[in-house]
Amino acid sequence: DVKVTQSSRYLVKRTGEKVFLECVQDMDHENMFWYRQDPGLGLRLIYFSYDVKMKEKGDIPEGYSVSREKKERFSLILESASTNQTSMYLCASRGSGNLYEQYFGPGTRLTVT
Amino acid sequence: GQQVMQIPQYQHVQEGEDFTTYCNSSTTLSNIQWYKQRPGGHPVFLIQLVKSGEVKKQKRLTFQFGEAKKNSSLHITATQTTDVGTYFCAGCYSGTYKYIFGTGTRLKVLA
Repeated sequence: DVKVTQSSRYLVKRTGEKVFLECVQDMDHENMFWYRQDPGLGLRLIYFSYDVKMKEKGDIPEGYSVSREKKERFSLILESASTNQTSMYLCASRGSGNLYEQYFGPGTRLTVT
Repeated sequence: GQQVMQIPQYQHVQEGEDFTTYCNSSTTLSNIQWYKQRPGGHPVFLIQLVKSGEVKKQKRLTFQFGEAKKNSSLHITATQTTDVGTYFCAGCYSGTYKYIFGTGTRLKVLA
């Protein structure tokens, strides 16, 4: 059974703090994704990675960076958290090629105060 | 930019009624996927459509991909309370790794 895990279900941080969100998958997938989900806006892609140390910007990368040092792990970094980054963050992984389903983690609800 | 529009945003139905959600893209899609997210849960893959005019069924769920590969629909026959959740389409364009998600349709089924 494919498993995608995220480091925290709930996180509360202060404005200006550096925030790390970790995602780990156990299916040896090449592709990993970070989305944020907001009411009425659906899922918006922040960054994705198609291989170790490879990354591409998604639709809303501003204020975020990512790191993929190992195939199974994809980290999302908020360099200086702001209140407009309060959201649900979802990580997903997918096998090589576009014709594969994405497997999502349980999500991290981040609140920035 | 590339965008996938999904309607309606919300739908409340009586148990036993039918339900349909629609997705539209302004440009041709390579393929489209559908996901369901239960309240408090994460999106779970339902199905993928690749061919023009493709129709697939999963029990009470019918998925269609338009002839021009610019639109898709999910139809649920005789809804049940277990169908509650948000349904997302996600379209993929040629030459890209990423999927563009629709805004989702939140379905509420009244018993």
